[in-house]
Amino acid sequence: AAGVIQSPRHLIKEKRETATLKCYPIPRHDTVYWYQQGPGQDPQFLISFYEKMQSDKGSIPDRFSAQQFSDYHSELNMSSLELGDSALYFCASSPSEAGANVLTFGAGSRLTVL
Amino acid sequence: AQSVTQLDSQVPVFEEAPVELRCNYSSSVSVYLFWYVQYPNQGLQLLLKYLSGSTLVKGINGFEAEFNKSQTSFHLRKPSVHISDTAEYFCAVSEKTSYDKVIFGPGTSLSVIP
Repeated sequence: AAGVIQSPRHLIKEKRETATLKCYPIPRHDTVYWYQQGPGQDPQFLISFYEKMQSDKGSIPDRFSAQQFSDYHSELNMSSLELGDSALYFCASSPSEAGANVLTFGAGSRLTVL
Repeated sequence: AQSVTQLDSQVPVFEEAPVELRCNYSSSVSVYLFWYVQYPNQGLQLLLKYLSGSTLVKGINGFEAEFNKSQTSFHLRKPSVHISDTAEYFCAVSEKTSYDKVIFGPGTSLSVIP
């Protein structure tokens, strides 16, 4: 069965650079969530989209932005990168008609800021 | 807002012994409850979920959990653990509001000792 696809899997950037992470949800899943997991930490909710509109916002820095496109894939854009942005970034998707947010996670994108 | 507490940050247990990982939550409304497992350097995988109905839910890999509304708990149990169960386990909660985010607990690191 198709899963949530994230790219790139690994990304190395310098401070103050920008990075873009992509997420392709499971087909017919119309809701996408982004989470950030620092070393030894639990996943922290960043932002979510439903039907291409932002549905909820968590602890996402102003330097970050995200959007969901017409094909339901989503991109997380990060600018002015800081050392503390080094983390695993997970995307998850769920079908809205499920009645519960049963998330299926991608394998994650590991961002390292040097 | 909802929150999740996992009192045990690390749980060492001998192979073939039983294990219980504790989870308590707080919320002002009804919730959905989940357990996710994260193996080293991998993404999050859904172990089991409680949406409604029977308070005892069974998941993959022989795990089960029991929802106790009066104690606001959702403890995870396995009668006999294997080396391959060594991983990080996250309890998570989502309020029964459409498209709401899932909030994760701090995680419990389960180490199975041969």
